Amino acid sequence: GENVEQHPSTLSVQEGDSAVIKCTYSDSASNYFPWYKQELGKGPQLIIDIRSNVGEKKDQRIAVTLNKTAKHFSLHITETQPEDSAVYFCADAGKSTFGDGTTLTVKP
Amino acid sequence: ETGVTQTPRHLVMGMTNKKSLKCEQHLGHNAMYWYKQSAKKPLELMFVYSLEERVENNSVPSRFSPECPNSSHLFLHLHTLQPEDSALYLCASSQDVRGVQPQHFGDGTRLSIL
Repeated sequence: GENVEQHPSTLSVQEGDSAVIKCTYSDSASNYFPWYKQELGKGPQLIIDIRSNVGEKKDQRIAVTLNKTAKHFSLHITETQPEDSAVYFCADAGKSTFGDGTTLTVKP
Repeated sequence: ETGVTQTPRHLVMGMTNKKSLKCEQHLGHNAMYWYKQSAKKPLELMFVYSLEERVENNSVPSRFSPECPNSSHLFLHLHTLQPEDSALYLCASSQDVRGVQPQHFGDGTRLSIL
């Protein structure tokens, strides 16, 4: 079965608003979850990651939260800008499995 | 610049052709990966190499043949491909295969099968 489920598949927000993307995983032993941003014509690029020994990590406008009990983790982007428009993927790194991706569109 | 370089960036080939995709990483990593990315589908892991030894092969058809001559280079040899093999093929590398460090991706080869 699928190891990582990602929602929503598309997300459209107004510039300056926040965006939240959620992922769930199936293996309680999984312990490292990176997030990638993929722009048109490029490969996925790591933007932030979280390990199972912490509940939250922040880097400027992006943050990731992890709920080990519920086996889900989320990406939060605040003060969105048009250049944040891209496809975002979550991953369970231990299994090299990825979510289906979320196409984020930030409208100016 | 991601430290992972893939060539060619685009490839068009007929079903009877033989071609190869190349990946080179300049990060000193010990693990390398091939993924297939098709429209409307998640990234599909194809092969994993650790220190030039294949450690995973996810039921990939034999028309795809990987080669890892050293820890910096990875090839994907293609022959007798099908139209459904048209996709973006991504190479990645990581420090090791334990899955506790991020993978670094190249920009991919866009493959079109006529």
